[in-house]
Amino acid sequence: DAGVIQSPRHEVTEMGQEVTLRCKPISGHNSLFWYRQTMMRGLELLIYFNNNVPIDDSGMPEDRFSAKMPNASFSTLKIQPSEPRDSAVYFCASGAGGGETQYFGPGTRLLVL
Amino acid sequence: EDQVTQSPEALRLQEGESSSLNCSYTVSGLRGLFWYRQDPGKGPEFLFTLYSAGEEKEKERLKATLTKKESFLHITAPKPEDSATYLCAVPKRGGSQGNLIFGKGTKLSVKP
Repeated sequence: DAGVIQSPRHEVTEMGQEVTLRCKPISGHNSLFWYRQTMMRGLELLIYFNNNVPIDDSGMPEDRFSAKMPNASFSTLKIQPSEPRDSAVYFCASGAGGGETQYFGPGTRLLVL
Repeated sequence: EDQVTQSPEALRLQEGESSSLNCSYTVSGLRGLFWYRQDPGKGPEFLFTLYSAGEEKEKERLKATLTKKESFLHITAPKPEDSATYLCAVPKRGGSQGNLIFGKGTKLSVKP
């Protein structure tokens, strides 16, 4: 059974460009999470969807960040415009029920120059 | 403010040398404490969930325990393949169950 799938795995872009990260959760899971991980701040929750509806977006740093989940098998995290301080590893995770146990994807390593 | 603090930041062990990692939290009304393992370049992998003080869970050489203010991850006779960063997390107070606060992790290195 495939785990959480993320694409791209690596992204290098220039400041000001739009970045779109993609995630396919585990089939049957109804919770989806986007995280950001940096050395300084560790792993931080950005946004949490349940049944495709955003439940908690209090971790989204600013209006440059947006996330969508148009259906149960796909989600995107978009950064527009990107800035160097957005450089991090972005993880998507999914879970069943209330998301108590979360299964993480391999992450997207983003570098904004 | 809700906080999760892990110690030590890094731990080096010889193969077979048992030790413990600590996770302390300030969230009141704990609704679970989660342990994850993260290998370099990979996403965290779920290990355990503990819900009440006194609860223990085991998996191979790992045993997690929980008190009212902290959790320990005991590693018995570790092997080099146990080398990884171990993360603990708790649900944010007042937040949804899935809104987890993660500690910075303990990086464990086990030398043969």
